[in-house]
Amino acid sequence: GEDVEQSLFLSVREGDSSVINCTYTDSSSTYLYWYKQEPGAGLQLLTYIFSNMDMKQDQRLTVLLNKKDKHLSLRIADTQTGDSAIYFCAESREYSSASKIIFGSGTRLSIRP
Amino acid sequence: DADVTQTPRNRITKTGKRIMLECSQTKGHDRMYWYRQDPGLGLRLIYYSFDVKDINKGEISDGYSVSRQAQAKFSLSLESAIPNQTALYFCATSDSLDRQVYNEQFFGPGTRLTVL
Repeated sequence: GEDVEQSLFLSVREGDSSVINCTYTDSSSTYLYWYKQEPGAGLQLLTYIFSNMDMKQDQRLTVLLNKKDKHLSLRIADTQTGDSAIYFCAESREYSSASKIIFGSGTRLSIRP
Repeated sequence: DADVTQTPRNRITKTGKRIMLECSQTKGHDRMYWYRQDPGLGLRLIYYSFDVKDINKGEISDGYSVSRQAQAKFSLSLESAIPNQTALYFCATSDSLDRQVYNEQFFGPGTRLTVL
């Protein structure tokens, strides 16, 4: 995951907005993703954005994509205790006959009362 | 029932032992992957398989081997385990891109492996 970078920790107060940031390196990535890993579980796709979009909104989640700066962010509005998890940024990279997903190191989101 | 299952869920072994981690899926996906997760390093791809006859090395394949016994089964072996292979291992699956273009991967619950 060295080519997809994100900070390791974020702490927010319950009810506030959380913003998790990510930078990636491959400008040809077609899709960018946010996966969520809850304690003791595998990763689950939270949302994704196609590379020709700037923004995607889904209920409390807002994804912003800045292709020029290769920057992706995930905003969680009204953060709840159930949002505590590790959030992985990922990009889809094309190879000769296939595509692979490259994951960042994950940001651990903790919620304080 | 879970779509992607991994066995065992936890394993403690000794240096030099051979161990196998197994993954099964009921999603009917062609593509299967093995990752390892280490704190602060995220997920790193060990091996991947796009169908039963297609197996490819990922970024950290040294010390590991895989077998795709069937479309639904993909196992990871450590021929001679060493302590720096202590990690959380995840299996994942995805559908082929002609059936879904955004390449979502579905993860198993993970196997926590400790090599003493």
